[in-house]
Amino acid sequence: GAVVSQHPSWVICKSGTSVKIECRSLDFQATTMFWYRQFPKQSLMLMATSNEGSKATYEQGVEKDKFLINHASLTLSTLTVTSAHPEDSSFYICSASSGQTNSPLHFGNGTRLTVT
Amino acid sequence: LAKTTQPISMDSYEGQEVNITCSHNNIATNDYITWYQQFPSQGPRFIIQGYKTKVTNEVASLFIPADRKSSTLSLPRVSLSDTAVYYCLVAPGGSGGYNKLIFGAGTRLAVHP
Repeated sequence: GAVVSQHPSWVICKSGTSVKIECRSLDFQATTMFWYRQFPKQSLMLMATSNEGSKATYEQGVEKDKFLINHASLTLSTLTVTSAHPEDSSFYICSASSGQTNSPLHFGNGTRLTVT
Repeated sequence: LAKTTQPISMDSYEGQEVNITCSHNNIATNDYITWYQQFPSQGPRFIIQGYKTKVTNEVASLFIPADRKSSTLSLPRVSLSDTAVYYCLVAPGGSGGYNKLIFGAGTRLAVHP
């Protein structure tokens, strides 16, 4: 079945550095990908919608210059957390859609980001 | 997007059937209902999706009454490994397509020995 791969599964970085997270759809073409953030004991919060070949659409309150999203191909979207700070420490999850109405949205296994 | 309401938490014991009900009073005509399961430090996993009546797969059943204002996820004979958070989502055309999914608080199910 449809598989979404996310890499890395965890990363530790120093404050002020940038971190890139990759999301790949392994066996289908994903015209749309979504990025979520999840804090401990909380639900997933949608950050942005990534469309292949166009600019991402960010949810209200999400800084587009801090969370750079690139969806350069139908199988890859990347999220770059720029100038990371400890408050950016969170669990980042991507999901991918093939665009088919009755096909479920598939999620990656998430990336645990810790900023020290 | 239709708002969903679920119990915050539920407790059960191994071998029991668990029913989690989700309320979605403002569901639209073209909305589908989708349920996901999430374990700690993992992404959500698709369980089941339906539009009306009953849907059954190898892991769960989904019951949707005629007015579609609620739905019930039924997990038969739960085991300890079913301890997780369960999310009910409503979106046009289901969770596929180009529609973003907005997650509610979910239901934290704890299965006890």
